[in-house]
Order: sequence, then structure tokens, then C-alpha cells
Amino acid sequence: DQQVKQNSPSLSVQEGRISILNCDYTNSMFDYFLWYKKYPAEGPTFLISISSIKDKNEDGRFTVFLNKSAKHLSLHIVPSQPGDSAVYFCAASVDRGSTLGRLYFGRGTQLTVWP
Amino acid sequence: DTGVSQNPRHKITKRGQNVTFRCDPISEHNRLYWYRQTLGQGPEFLTYFQNEAQLEKSRLLSDRFSAERPKGSFSTLEIQRTEQGDSAMYLCASSHRKKPGELFFGEGSRLTVL
Repeated sequence: DQQVKQNSPSLSVQEGRISILNCDYTNSMFDYFLWYKKYPAEGPTFLISISSIKDKNEDGRFTVFLNKSAKHLSLHIVPSQPGDSAVYFCAASVDRGSTLGRLYFGRGTQLTVWP
Repeated sequence: DTGVSQNPRHKITKRGQNVTFRCDPISEHNRLYWYRQTLGQGPEFLTYFQNEAQLEKSRLLSDRFSAERPKGSFSTLEIQRTEQGDSAMYLCASSHRKKPGELFFGEGSRLTVL
């Protein structure tokens, strides 16, 4: 049962434009969300996170938006660069105060940024 | 290199054999995780440790799988009587107690069961 869904397996964007990656979740208990990036032959690397008490978190070119009522989050990359080409995983968890539960990952979206 | 280290990187074995993977986390990280990833899927949680205590196990972790972290440092994941369905990338990750969601992953150990 996929509790975190990334319905677009791939996205192709021109360099300099905005990349928007989407993620939906079904478990209303999730209250902490993360994005990871993965290059071939490497493990995933943490990119950005957001708590459910916020609806937006920004870090440089990367912004994550959270819509709790729709159980939807998105990652915006502006401007996109060829080095951003990678698989992006959305993940969710339950914030237990001083700790965090297991992460549930989506299947990933392959982003290709072309010159 | 002070990242998460996994060994071996690749393992090919025959069905029914036992295999063991080792993970050395980042030294100051108290949490250690094992995930499994197959083609076209995201990482699937197997188990995690806080220091030497195994706090949670997925139902994916059948009784053929066992994980240990005896001294709260490195961890091993053993698969007994391997099956073809065990073929996957086994990912280890660690995190610091102050940033439990920020997992640092190793490069993974790829298992192929013939």
C-alpha cells in the first residue's frame, strides 16, 4: 500500500525554467515531509524538509510547498540547472516530538534538465 | 571519507545461501537504518536502530532477515536462505539525534540471487 505517491515518473525541463515535482500522501498522520535527490550509483541525499506547521520552506533555489487539506506537496526548483538532473524522492513521516518515525518514500520522479 | 560506508558493494549468490552486509555509519550519528530498493521503487523501510537498540522492524523483514548493531556503531544485515525475490539494493543510512529526518545514505549493497 503506497502511502506516498509520486504519479509522474519523469519530468523534462529546459535549463533556466522552473521544475515542479509533485507528491501526494494518503496517511493523515504524516506531519513531516522531506525531499531526497539521487544520482546514479549513489545513495539518496537529503534536499529539503517541511513540517506540517508550515506551508512553505525555502532553501536557495529549492522551495517545498505543503497543502495539508489536499494531502499534497510540491518541490519547486528555480532556476533549473543541468546538474539538477536526478531522481527525486518524496518522503513522509510522523513527528513524535523529540524523534521521528520511519520514512515512507514515493517511487521517485526522474528530472531531466536540458540545455 | 566520513560518509556512510557499506560493504560489499555487490554480492552475487546462489539461492539458499546466506549473505551478510555491513554498514559503518557516520560516527556521531546515533540512528542507523536499513532500507531496500528495487527497480522503479523508492526505498522501503526494513528496520532501524537507536544506538544498539533495534526500535522498529518492518513486516518486510521476514524471519530470514536479522540485523544487529552490537556496540551502537556498525551494523550487519544478514539474509539466510536467500531467495530470488531478495535481489535488491540494500541501503544503509544514519542520522544525528538533532536532525532525525535528515538521513545520510550509503551507496548501497546490491544483492543478486541466482
